Amino acid sequence: AAGVIQSPRHLIKEKRETATLKCYPIPRHDTVYWYQQGPGQDPQFLISFYEKMQSDKGSIPDRFSAQQFSDYHSELNMSSLELGDSALYFCASSRGRGGETQYFGPGTRLLVL
Amino acid sequence: AQTVTQSQPEMSVQEAETVTLSCTYDTSESDYYLFWYKQPPSRQMILVIRQEAYKQQNATENRFSVNFQKAAKSFSLKISDSQLGDAAMYFCAYSGNTPLVFGKGTRLSVIA
Repeated sequence: AAGVIQSPRHLIKEKRETATLKCYPIPRHDTVYWYQQGPGQDPQFLISFYEKMQSDKGSIPDRFSAQQFSDYHSELNMSSLELGDSALYFCASSRGRGGETQYFGPGTRLLVL
Repeated sequence: AQTVTQSQPEMSVQEAETVTLSCTYDTSESDYYLFWYKQPPSRQMILVIRQEAYKQQNATENRFSVNFQKAAKSFSLKISDSQLGDAAMYFCAYSGNTPLVFGKGTRLSVIA
């Protein structure tokens, strides 16, 4: 079965640079979520989109922005990167909201030097 | 705000034995869903099992089952016939009208 696709899988950036993470949800899934998982921590919700509109917002820094496109893929844009942004970034997708099972992609490992 | 608590940072089990991972949660919502996700060393987040709060029957998936006690707000995961491949971090998660809220996780080791 098709899964959530994330690219790139690994990314190394310098402080103050920008990064763009991409997520391709499972076909026919209309909801995308972004999570950040620091080393030894649980995933923290950043932001989500339902039918191309922002639906929920979590602990996403103002330096980050995201959107969902007409083909339902989503991009997380991160600017003015800081050392503390080094983490594993997950994208998850579901069909609908409100308790529908979220299926996670493999994650993008971001290292900020 | 909803919170999820996993009181066991680490657990270990002998291969072929049974282990139970604990999870409690706090919510004022009446309609919600609970999940267990497994994160092996690859760090992929894999769904193990899902429980709808309105269902009294405990969910089961092969060797994995839950003990859902709604009044006590408890949602434990039982792994039967443990296998080496079950070694991972296990996260309990809650979803109501919000995206997933995770517990801090329980690291499970399986001893051969």
